[in-house]
Amino acid sequence: NAGVMQNPRHLVRRRGQEARLRCSPMKGHSHVYWYRQLPEEGLKFMVYLQKENIIDESGMPKERFSAEFPKEGPSILRIQQVVRGDSAAYFCASSPPEGKQYFGPGTRLTVT
Amino acid sequence: KNQVEQSPQSLIILEGKNCTLQCNYTVSPFSNLRWYKQDTGRGPVSLTIMTFSENTKSNGRYTATLDADTKQSSLHITASQLSDSASYICVVSKTGGFKTIFGAGTRLFVKA
Repeated sequence: NAGVMQNPRHLVRRRGQEARLRCSPMKGHSHVYWYRQLPEEGLKFMVYLQKENIIDESGMPKERFSAEFPKEGPSILRIQQVVRGDSAAYFCASSPPEGKQYFGPGTRLTVT
Repeated sequence: KNQVEQSPQSLIILEGKNCTLQCNYTVSPFSNLRWYKQDTGRGPVSLTIMTFSENTKSNGRYTATLDADTKQSSLHITASQLSDSASYICVVSKTGGFKTIFGAGTRLFVKA
């Protein structure tokens, strides 16, 4: 059973471009969570999704950020018109209902 | 306000020594508390999970304690190894829907 997969592992974008981060949950997991970790800081919750539903997006900026977890395919975290402050590591975790979260290796976004 | 505070912020110890990391929380209503280990450049990996009724849980050289009355937890590492160098994150979950609060972590450096 493969773990949580994230791609790309590293992503470089110029200011104003769009960034798309993908997360494939573990087999059998229907819940996905996205977290952001700024350099030298702890993980910050962004959004919690189940298949085709956003359950809690209280940690996600209201503008430029969106997330989806379609019926088929990976979960996508999309950042439009990236700015330098978006540079961070973005971690995805998945879990079964009420279960432990398993984290992916993260995507490191660098905005130049 | 739901908060998780960890101390110390960072710690340097010699290989073979023991150490204890602290976590105080004000999260309510409490569901469970997890300790994660995060190696540099990787996603967090769960070490232990404790519910309200559990006082102590061990995972190899890692022993976590929980005092639900004082809302304190500790992670004790015995006979430290160089590979223990990482960030250790305390995570507290609430009951009644999804709410997970991450501490900022303690950065442990184990030196030869």
